[in-house]
Amino acid sequence: QQPVQSPQAVILREGEDAVINCSSSKALYSVHWYRQKHGEAPVFLMILLKGGEQKGHDKISASFNEKKQQSSLYLTASQLSYSGTYFCGTGPRGQGAQKLVFGQGTRLTINP
Amino acid sequence: DSGVTQTPKHLITATGQRVTLRCSPRSGDLSVYWYQQSLDQGLQFLIQYYNGEERAKGNILERFSAQQFPDLHSELNLSSLELGDSALYFCASSRGGAWAEAFFGQGTRLTVV
Repeated sequence: QQPVQSPQAVILREGEDAVINCSSSKALYSVHWYRQKHGEAPVFLMILLKGGEQKGHDKISASFNEKKQQSSLYLTASQLSYSGTYFCGTGPRGQGAQKLVFGQGTRLTINP
Repeated sequence: DSGVTQTPKHLITATGQRVTLRCSPRSGDLSVYWYQQSLDQGLQFLIQYYNGEERAKGNILERFSAQQFPDLHSELNLSSLELGDSALYFCASSRGGAWAEAFFGQGTRLTVV
């Protein structure tokens, strides 16, 4: 089941904040966040695990609400380099079935 | 450089043909994922292997198949190609498990004419 991301696109000025949401109709065990610049491969940003453990990225943070089956990615004081498409992925439950299924993406454009 | 190598980078072929895309994962990674990304679309999960065994399947067409070899490299075979199969195909590898980040290769751009 593909997670649903919102918004689909957002345009900001440099220095503004952004929030990207990711929702799942199934229970979440782990949430992965990736950023893809046009014509390039997706790059890992962050993993959030059930139980609150978080790995990630210096200037970008995220939350994971297990009850609501949602995750949100927070980009504060955005920089031009933050432009790209952000994907959330609902991750595997350990060493068993290992689907990593991504949402449809959120296109973020940062203007000077 | 993610450490994941995909070959070829570009492939142009005719409808009805068969092609093989190759992926070499990062050293030590046991898990390989394949994704299809059509123009300006999301990442569609196709299939996943872990240490040589198929572990999960997504929306993979019957005309497509994959395998992971003992040296852990993986191949995605696409047959009876149609115009709609034109896309960027990504391979990603990880150590496996919920905590493991996935590293993506640069992709193979397939154009079916």
